Amino acid sequence: EGQLVESGGGLVKPGGSLRLSCAASVFTFSNAWMTWVRQAPGKGLEWVGRIKTDTYGGTTDYAAPVKGRFTISRDDSKNTLYLQMDSLKTEDTAVYYCTTEGYYHDSPWAFDIWGQGTMVTVSS
Amino acid sequence: QSVVTQPPSASGTPGQWVTISCSGSSSNIGSNYVYWYQQLPGTAPKLLIYRNNQRPSGVPARFSGSRSGTSASLAISGLRSEDEGDYFCASGDASLSGPVFGGGTKLTVL
Repeated sequence: EGQLVESGGGLVKPGGSLRLSCAASVFTFSNAWMTWVRQAPGKGLEWVGRIKTDTYGGTTDYAAPVKGRFTISRDDSKNTLYLQMDSLKTEDTAVYYCTTEGYYHDSPWAFDIWGQGTMVTVSS
Repeated sequence: QSVVTQPPSASGTPGQWVTISCSGSSSNIGSNYVYWYQQLPGTAPKLLIYRNNQRPSGVPARFSGSRSGTSASLAISGLRSEDEGDYFCASGDASLSGPVFGGGTKLTVL
C-alpha cells in the first residue's frame, strides 16, 4: 500500500511562513488527488484543502479559514505535495496530515492513505 | 462547533455491540456520502467506512455503517480492547468547498 511522509513542521511566530512537504511512494502519485487535513491539539479533524491531478487541471480548493493564506501545490516529477502557509495565526497550530483522496476507493472524501503527520506550532 | 455532531464519548465491554451516531442536515449527510475514520492513540486516522456502508479491504466485518435521512451510525460488534480510540464521521456539504468532519467520539473499552 502507498506511503506518505510529511516534513517541514516546526515552531513559527504569528505572521510567519512555513512550507510543509509530503513525499509519496509505492503508488502512482500523479494519479492521486491529494489533500491536507489538520488536527489541533486534543481536537478533531479539519479539512484544509486539496489539489486535483493534472488530468483535472491541477485545480485547488481551500477551507474558508485558510483561503488566501495557504497554497497547495504538487511536483509530480518528485512525487511530492506541498503546503505553503503564510500569515500564520496561533489557531493554525495543529498536526498536519497529507492524504490521498479516493485513490484506492473511488469516492470523494475517501481519504485512504495517510502520512504520520507533522506538527506546526504558531506561537510568539 | 461542527455542523455535523457526534456524542463526545461512548463505551462498552469486550464482546459488546456499540453504536456511534452522527447527526447532520440536508446539506451534508442528507445529500452526500458518509465516511468514518478511526484514530487509535498516537496514530494517524484510518479510513474505516466509505460511501455510507462500504468497508475498505482489511477492515473487519465487525465494523458497519449506515445512513438514514440526515443521520448516520457506525456499529461495532464484538468489541475488542484494540478498538479503543477516536472515531470521526465526515460528509460533503453543499455550502462548503470541502468535507465536514464530526467532532469525534472517544470510544472506551471498559
